[in-house]
Amino acid sequence: AQSVAQPEDQVNVAEGNPLTVKCTYSVSGNPYLFWYVQYPNRGLQFLLKYITGDNLVKGSYGFEAEFNKSQTSFHLKKPSALVSDSALYFCAVRSPFGDTGFQKLVFGTGTRLLVSP
Amino acid sequence: EPEVTQTPSHQVTQMGQEVILRCVPISNHLYFYWYRQILGQKVEFLVSFYNNEISEKSEIFDDQFSVERPDGSNFTLKIRSTKLEDSAMYFCASSTEGAAYEQYFGPGTRLTVT
Repeated sequence: AQSVAQPEDQVNVAEGNPLTVKCTYSVSGNPYLFWYVQYPNRGLQFLLKYITGDNLVKGSYGFEAEFNKSQTSFHLKKPSALVSDSALYFCAVRSPFGDTGFQKLVFGTGTRLLVSP
Repeated sequence: EPEVTQTPSHQVTQMGQEVILRCVPISNHLYFYWYRQILGQKVEFLVSFYNNEISEKSEIFDDQFSVERPDGSNFTLKIRSTKLEDSAMYFCASSTEGAAYEQYFGPGTRLTVT
């Protein structure tokens, strides 16, 4: 079965500094990996995904993520954090098409990012 | 930009009552989903729906739950007899064809069962 771990409940960073939100995954075969962000009283907003190809994927709002197959990780990064980036970030994994349970996204527990001015 | 919409934003119901949560997916999307998030917990998959039938469901999605696409634009989740533990935020999502495509989520309906 697919699973995702986000080891940090909260990440604190000062505005202008680089940020990293960690994610590791477990899935048989090649994973489809996603990052979503949730602002207060809002739904989940898609940020970026890794399906295949370059290990560094770029997404919305200046975010990027690095896929590392040997470490089964998909960490979210941004070179320079903004106060407005403060939100709850979820990593999610999906099995490849045709695998058991491929239709569902399996989410991590979320990491709260706090960017201080 | 097209969005998934959900109504109502907040529903309060008494234990044992039936509730219907409504969603309007993005118009050209083919796959539809329901997830829920109990307060303080992770987002959990409930069910996926494609070509007018359930394509996958979780163990949470028991006989008390049902889904329907009644008219080609709405997608509903019905809970027949609500329990206290059904209190959660329910998210609808939709995607274009294929597992490689991201799912777009609505803002959620907060269901409170008293």
